[in-house]
Amino acid sequence: AQSVTQPDIHITVSEGASLELRCNYSYGATPYLFWYVQSPGQGLQLLLKYFSGDTLVQGIKGFEAEFKRSQSSFNLRKPSVHWSDAAEYFCAVATYNTDKLIFGTGTRLQVFP
Amino acid sequence: DSGVTQTPKHLITATGQRVTLRCSPRSGDLSVYWYQQSLDQGLQFLIQYYNGEERAKGNILERFSAQQFPDLHSELNLSSLELGDSALYFCASSPGGVVSSYEQYFGPGTRLTVT
Repeated sequence: AQSVTQPDIHITVSEGASLELRCNYSYGATPYLFWYVQSPGQGLQLLLKYFSGDTLVQGIKGFEAEFKRSQSSFNLRKPSVHWSDAAEYFCAVATYNTDKLIFGTGTRLQVFP
Repeated sequence: DSGVTQTPKHLITATGQRVTLRCSPRSGDLSVYWYQQSLDQGLQFLIQYYNGEERAKGNILERFSAQQFPDLHSELNLSSLELGDSALYFCASSPGGVVSSYEQYFGPGTRLTVT
């Protein structure tokens, strides 16, 4: 069965610092991978997605993620974090023969000035 | 703004009651998904409808049901409510094509509190 692991429950960074949020997935074939962000009291906003092709994908708000098949990972990165990036980040996976998204448990990002 | 609307934003009700949550997908999207977000279970897929037909089912309780109407809006019905049903319920939509199915756009959610 497919699964997603986000090892970090809570991460704190200083504004302007770089950020990497970890995501590992479990699936036998090439998955479809996503990162969503949820601000307090808000719905989920799609940051970026990987379906195939270039393993480094660019998203909105200056985020990027790299698909590494050998490590079953899809880590989210941002070179310089802004205070407005404080939110909860969810990694998700979908597979070709199902339409549902399977989400990780989320990583809460806190940004200090 | 994702273009997906959900009503109501908040709902407070008592155990044993029945409620209906409503979702309008983005214009042109044929697929509607329902998810439940709770502290103990995280984000869980409940059910998907595509152009009026049920397409996939997840961890949806028998007390819960959903439907998608000809105008493509969807309703999630929760009955015999229990305290543990308190959660944030999200609706998402997608165009419904083979690849684009997976790019889901989420509404703001309905927060259900069962007392």
